[in-house]
Amino acid sequence: AQSVTQLGSHVSVSEGALVLLRCNYSSSVPPYLFWYVQYPNQGLQLLLKYTTGATLVKGINGFEAEFKKSETSFHLTKPSAHMSDAAEYFCAVIMGGYQKVTFGTGTKLQVIP
Amino acid sequence: GAGVSQSPSNKVTEKGKDVELRCDPISGHTALYWYRQRLGQGLEFLIYFQGNSAPDKSGLPSDRFSAERTGESVSTLTIQRTQQEDSAVYLCASSAQGAAGQYFGPGTRLTVL
Repeated sequence: AQSVTQLGSHVSVSEGALVLLRCNYSSSVPPYLFWYVQYPNQGLQLLLKYTTGATLVKGINGFEAEFKKSETSFHLTKPSAHMSDAAEYFCAVIMGGYQKVTFGTGTKLQVIP
Repeated sequence: GAGVSQSPSNKVTEKGKDVELRCDPISGHTALYWYRQRLGQGLEFLIYFQGNSAPDKSGLPSDRFSAERTGESVSTLTIQRTQQEDSAVYLCASSAQGAAGQYFGPGTRLTVL
């Protein structure tokens, strides 16, 4: 079985501040992990992914995430928030070798000028 | 096409009527997913197709919901005897393989009056 928990349905940060969106997963086999972003009134877009290899992965728009097996976490970070980062972010997991995706409930990021 | 397309983009219907939503995946993508996103909420998995395997229908909320896929191409999601609680955005996504991540269509916004 697999599941995803995103802590905090809403996160507010000041422009220029660190962005940290939390994601914890459970999986009975090595997982594939993803972050998706949904801008207002738009579809979901893949931000970054971890499958194998380097545990620190970089995505678009300056975001990155680190796979920590010991903590079963895949938190999303960005050193300096920009107004254009305001969106909803979804963490997702696939158990390796399978393709059914489980999404978290999403975190809405607000960036305050 | 270049991406996943869905039609119609908007559908308004009366309670009790049947509706059919269409998804055209990216050519060559063997996996196709349907999700429902209610206003202000996360993604709710509905159904998953993988090649010629039997679809995973575990997310369909009732027997009013059904979906078909022709080979590795177009999929249709049918909702019979629509209810007001069916109002949502219905998202389709396709994937070449689990590790590649999903590509989402723009969604169909369904409003049941």
